[in-house]
Amino acid sequence: GEDVEQSLFLSVREGDSSVINCTYTDSSSTYLYWYKQEPGAGLQLLTYIFSNMDMKQDQRLTVLLNKKDKHLSLRIADTQTGDSAIYFCAESNGDKLIFGTGTRLQVFP
Amino acid sequence: NAGVTQTPKFQVLKTGQSMTLQCAQDMNHNSMYWYRQDPGMGLRLIYYSASEGTTDKGEVPNGYNVSRLNKREFSLRLESAAPSQTSVYFCASSELGRLGSFGPGTRLTVT
Repeated sequence: GEDVEQSLFLSVREGDSSVINCTYTDSSSTYLYWYKQEPGAGLQLLTYIFSNMDMKQDQRLTVLLNKKDKHLSLRIADTQTGDSAIYFCAESNGDKLIFGTGTRLQVFP
Repeated sequence: NAGVTQTPKFQVLKTGQSMTLQCAQDMNHNSMYWYRQDPGMGLRLIYYSASEGTTDKGEVPNGYNVSRLNKREFSLRLESAAPSQTSVYFCASSELGRLGSFGPGTRLTVT
């Protein structure tokens, strides 16, 4: 069945770049997403990439997709304390949306 | 345009009690979803509805029922709550596989 995996924690210094990784198993995924969840809040869609793209850039965010290895990454440039949150990777194929366990990003000064 | 709304925001139930979580979206999306979020387990899909009048089981459907009342509304019912159903529940909607929005979540505690 479908599975999405992420590492649980990442700690970076303010101003550095953060790279959050995700692997998935469903090769027929059409869209892949990154969500941000701040404490006590719902999920906020950060960005998404269509499966026929390799890269998407949106201001400080860069998404890289390696379809052959089924690997997705999110790079946050110039990471700020406000970026501290849990980041979820998700994939969809048609109607079902499958999420990873989330990566908790901690930014320290 | 409110996006996805959920009620209630918080609920405490005793084991065996029943309740319905309500969800509505105003984006005219066809697909709607119910997820639960537990520490260290990410979001797990309980049920989803690809279109009005259809519902399908997700990863963890046991102990839940759903109703797609119309295109806007998708409710989740716990007939006999159990402590294992203590969780945060999120409703979401999407169109053509592109995820639209999540609701703010319902924090449910079953004692």
